[in-house]
Amino acid sequence: AQSVTQLGSHVSVSEGALVLLRCNYSSSVPPYLFWYVQYPNQGLQLLLKYTTGATLVKGINGFEAEFKKSETSFHLTKPSAHMSDAAEYFCAVSKPNTGTASKLTFGTGTRLQVTL
Amino acid sequence: ETGVTQSPTHLIKTRGQQVTLRCSSQSGHNTVSWYQQALGQGPQFIFQYYREEENGRGNFPPRFSGLQFPNYSSELNVNALELDDSALYLCASSLQGSDTEAFFGQGTRLTVV
Repeated sequence: AQSVTQLGSHVSVSEGALVLLRCNYSSSVPPYLFWYVQYPNQGLQLLLKYTTGATLVKGINGFEAEFKKSETSFHLTKPSAHMSDAAEYFCAVSKPNTGTASKLTFGTGTRLQVTL
Repeated sequence: ETGVTQSPTHLIKTRGQQVTLRCSSQSGHNTVSWYQQALGQGPQFIFQYYREEENGRGNFPPRFSGLQFPNYSSELNVNALELDDSALYLCASSLQGSDTEAFFGQGTRLTVV
């Protein structure tokens, strides 16, 4: 069985500061990894994903994440936070090579607050 | 806009009633998955439909059932509603056989009173 742990249900940063949202996973095989963002009263939007290849993945809105197999981690970062980044962020995993892009196991989410 | 549309956006039901939620998948996508997102939680996988058949199910009781139609649209049915069924229900469409992105709809907010 797969599982995802997101450390910190709430993270607050100042505008312009580094954003770091943590995600660790548990899986019997190296999974595919995803970060989604959810704005209030909205569905989920994909920020970035790791399937194979380069372990540093760049996504939309200046976000990036690095897959570290030895640490079973996929932390999300952004060098400089913007007020518009305030939202809920979810890390998710799926089993690779099974055509199961939409059978996702999600973490409990991290709410990012950006202050002036 | 993802091209995945869900209806209705909100509804209120009474405990014990039945509810049907609808999802139109993105053009070209043949697979639909449903998720339940309780308040303050991450989405939980309910089930997936491909070629009008259930193709995987999460830890949800049989009173949660679904359908997929030839045009790939889908319905989620919940019988004998319980208060704990109050949640945001999300539909995601994707292409079976591919590990590319799943696109989510805006969700249906169900309140059971």
